[in-house]
Amino acid sequence: NAGVTQTPKFQVLKTGQSMTLQCAQDMNHNSMYWYRQDPGMGLRLIYYSASEGTTDKGEVPNGYNVSRLNKREFSLRLESAAPSQTSVYFCASSEASGTGAHEQYFGPGTRLTVT
Amino acid sequence: GEDVEQSLFLSVREGDSSVINCTYTDSSSTYLYWYKQEPGAGLQLLTYIFSNMDMKQDQRLTVLLNKKDKHLSLRIADTQTGDSAIYFCAEIPNDYKLSFGAGTTVTVRA
Repeated sequence: NAGVTQTPKFQVLKTGQSMTLQCAQDMNHNSMYWYRQDPGMGLRLIYYSASEGTTDKGEVPNGYNVSRLNKREFSLRLESAAPSQTSVYFCASSEASGTGAHEQYFGPGTRLTVT
Repeated sequence: GEDVEQSLFLSVREGDSSVINCTYTDSSSTYLYWYKQEPGAGLQLLTYIFSNMDMKQDQRLTVLLNKKDKHLSLRIADTQTGDSAIYFCAEIPNDYKLSFGAGTTVTVRA
């Protein structure tokens, strides 16, 4: 099992450019998430998808869109990148374990710089 | 996440115990979690505790939960250089959405 994979690993964009961050999981999880990580702020939820065909806004959705393409894939799109979107982006997936705890599994991250 | 608070830094000598503290706000959280992030990597679930438990031990890790004070701690016994990382406390106040603290950077010195 590869777990959660993300592409690309690194990206530099100019202000106003667009791009899509890709995420895929092979654990057959229903729930998938996109977070951004900024120094001193922990992880903040951008969007999540509780199941295939559904998406919901998280804490910081402005400037982003998502697509849950199928059960495996959940992409994050920046339509017009801004320097404030410079961050490390993590995708995660989860399923309730036998104990009921939701164990989230994270991808390795995409380091995005917007100049 | 503003609902979960942690101190930002901890320095500990190799072989000593590390204690990382966290306070949370939502008393309805069923589970509380500790994640570890090594440099350049994603987060990895270390352990979690059910909210009706006071303590959970897993090898060198001990989690203590004081539900009355909404205080969670992670103790790492015999801290090793490989324990140097950022540790995140997290709760799930709504559905499946984890709310993370800012993370505690643990530095292990020889």
